[in-house]
Amino acid sequence: AQSVTQLGSHVSVSEGALVLLRCNYSSSVPPYLFWYVQYPNQGLQLLLKYTSAATLVKGINGFEAEFKKSETSFHLTKPSAHMSDAAEYFCAVSDPLFSGGYNKLIFGAGTRLAVHP
Amino acid sequence: DAGVIQSPRHEVTEMGQEVTLRCKPISGHNSLFWYRQTMMRGLELLIYFNNNVPIDDSGMPEDRFSAKMPNASFSTLKIQPSEPRDSAVYFCASSLDRVPGYTFGSGTRLTVV
Repeated sequence: AQSVTQLGSHVSVSEGALVLLRCNYSSSVPPYLFWYVQYPNQGLQLLLKYTSAATLVKGINGFEAEFKKSETSFHLTKPSAHMSDAAEYFCAVSDPLFSGGYNKLIFGAGTRLAVHP
Repeated sequence: DAGVIQSPRHEVTEMGQEVTLRCKPISGHNSLFWYRQTMMRGLELLIYFNNNVPIDDSGMPEDRFSAKMPNASFSTLKIQPSEPRDSAVYFCASSLDRVPGYTFGSGTRLTVV
């Protein structure tokens, strides 16, 4: 069975500081991994995804994530936080073999990022 | 592409009333998912359709909830009768088979008073 753990339900950074949001996964097969962002009163928007190509994945808004198989991690980073990055971020995993017959995403509990001046 | 379209954006209803939430998936997508989001439970998958057929409804909380997909471009989630504990944001998402990831709608915020 697959699962996702996001360390830290709340992260607070200063504007201009490094953003690091942690995600660890559990999967019996090499997974597909995703980061979604949810701005207030909006739906989830795909930031980036790892689908077994390059281990360092670049996404929108300057975010990137690195797949580390040895650490079973897929942490999200951004070198310099902007006020507009304040949102909730969700890590998700899916099974490329589509076990169970469909493209099922398992979401983490989410990390709320606050950016202060 | 207009993306996944959900209506209404907000719904306030009285306990005991019937509520119907609507979703139009992205054209060409053949998988559709209904999620519920609450502070306490996070994102919960309620039901999944593939090619308009319900495949996995194990997340539907109880018989008061029902979902249909009469054609490839429309799905509904109905709650009857509604209860205050059903208050949540309900999201619809769609995807294409074998293409990783979903596209989410903007959600319907349901308040049952």
